[in-house]
Amino acid sequence: QEHLQESGPGLVKPSQTLSLTCTVSRGSISSGSYYWSWIRQHPGKGLEWIGYMYHTGSTYYNPSLKSRVSISIDTSKNQLSLKLTSVTAADTAMYYCAKVEDPGGWFDPWGQGTQVTVSS
Amino acid sequence: YLLTQPPSVPVAPGQTATLTCGGDNIGGKTVQWYQQKPGQAPVLVVYDDSERPSGIPERFSGFNSGNTATLIISGVEAGDEADYYCQVWDSSSDHLHVVFGGGTKLTVL
Repeated sequence: QEHLQESGPGLVKPSQTLSLTCTVSRGSISSGSYYWSWIRQHPGKGLEWIGYMYHTGSTYYNPSLKSRVSISIDTSKNQLSLKLTSVTAADTAMYYCAKVEDPGGWFDPWGQGTQVTVSS
Repeated sequence: YLLTQPPSVPVAPGQTATLTCGGDNIGGKTVQWYQQKPGQAPVLVVYDDSERPSGIPERFSGFNSGNTATLIISGVEAGDEADYYCQVWDSSSDHLHVVFGGGTKLTVL
């Protein structure tokens, strides 16, 4: 099974852009019909889907974040990336990446997550 | 589309825990369940309403009908204490998007 590992700065200043990377190992990000997704979890709260992407370029975002979010895939590096612009304290959360078994399917596996705090 | 889960469910060891996930005609969708232990990432425990991934004990079972999906954990163990989230896909917008329930904290007494 694939292994996913998120990475990125743990601290981002308000109004700046949050940039995270998810590195996929033990498998190819461009194989099969899998999609790749970002999900976040605010402190002490539930899960919030951010968006998902297919390696050919199709992307779909949570309407509530659509104006600020961008997801991309670098097949040469086997990496999924997330950019979230104009961040505020409300974007402080644990950010997870996960493999999606087709749109309409399940999220498995998940990365361990990376904590991002938005603060000056 | 809204998924409703009770905030908490207490259960004694060895007993059966019943976790519900309510949604409008959720029986017409396929439901996934994730287990999240403190400080850990979510783990898939049931997919396609009632299927178990490899490595998930048979004690975990799922059902989905009408307006309620259910995760049943039989013979609850202390290690089952966690938050459980249901998840569906909704096609009410121009494309499929993901919906998670608010989560239920399973407390083993």
